Amino acid sequence: DAKTTQPPSMDCAEGRAANLPCNHSTISGNEYVYWYRQIHSQGPQYIIHGLKNNETNEMASLIITEDRKSSTLILPHATLRDTAVYYCIVRLRRDSSYKLIFGSGTRLLVRP
Amino acid sequence: DSGVTQTPKHLITATGQRVTLRCSPRSGDLSVYWYQQSLDQGLQFLIQYYNGEERAKGNILERFSAQQFPDLHSELNLSSLELGDSALYFCAGGGKGGELFFGEGSRLTVL
Repeated sequence: DAKTTQPPSMDCAEGRAANLPCNHSTISGNEYVYWYRQIHSQGPQYIIHGLKNNETNEMASLIITEDRKSSTLILPHATLRDTAVYYCIVRLRRDSSYKLIFGSGTRLLVRP
Repeated sequence: DSGVTQTPKHLITATGQRVTLRCSPRSGDLSVYWYQQSLDQGLQFLIQYYNGEERAKGNILERFSAQQFPDLHSELNLSSLELGDSALYFCAGGGKGGELFFGEGSRLTVL
């Protein structure tokens, strides 16, 4: 799996958009970008994933650059409950038969 | 609620003892993954089962073992426990889109 690089920490104001970057310059053509988050000591929560097109769901938007070497997770209106560690993971999508390897992620602090 | 159930939620035991953690994935999910998260540490992949067979192994100690049963629930057995085994243990099931759904974890404290 391609390696990812994320800033160790970020912060944003409540109500504003949180833009979390991820670098994955060695990504291969059939690898997907997945985002998860972990709030305090809860189980990691799936957020969104994509291959090359931008994706949006009820939680967030995922913007993948045209060369696929980086991506940005956007939380459009961050709330205090979005304070968490966010993980960007690159992996092959194989009908859930492929393990996920977590890095150290980005610790996002949403300020009141 | 991810639909993945883990028991027990909390467990306190002594060094040298053996414990079993249980995981029930979502209905229809064939994969089960186990992860360990020590205090202030990242999520470490331990082992994966797919439809009853071991599929991938990570940094799992020889004192630890796991299995997946015909009804697809899984158990993680931790033996000869040491203080350093104190951690959160997460199990996850696999979604059809490749996403994983995690349980709320079992917090193990070894005294």
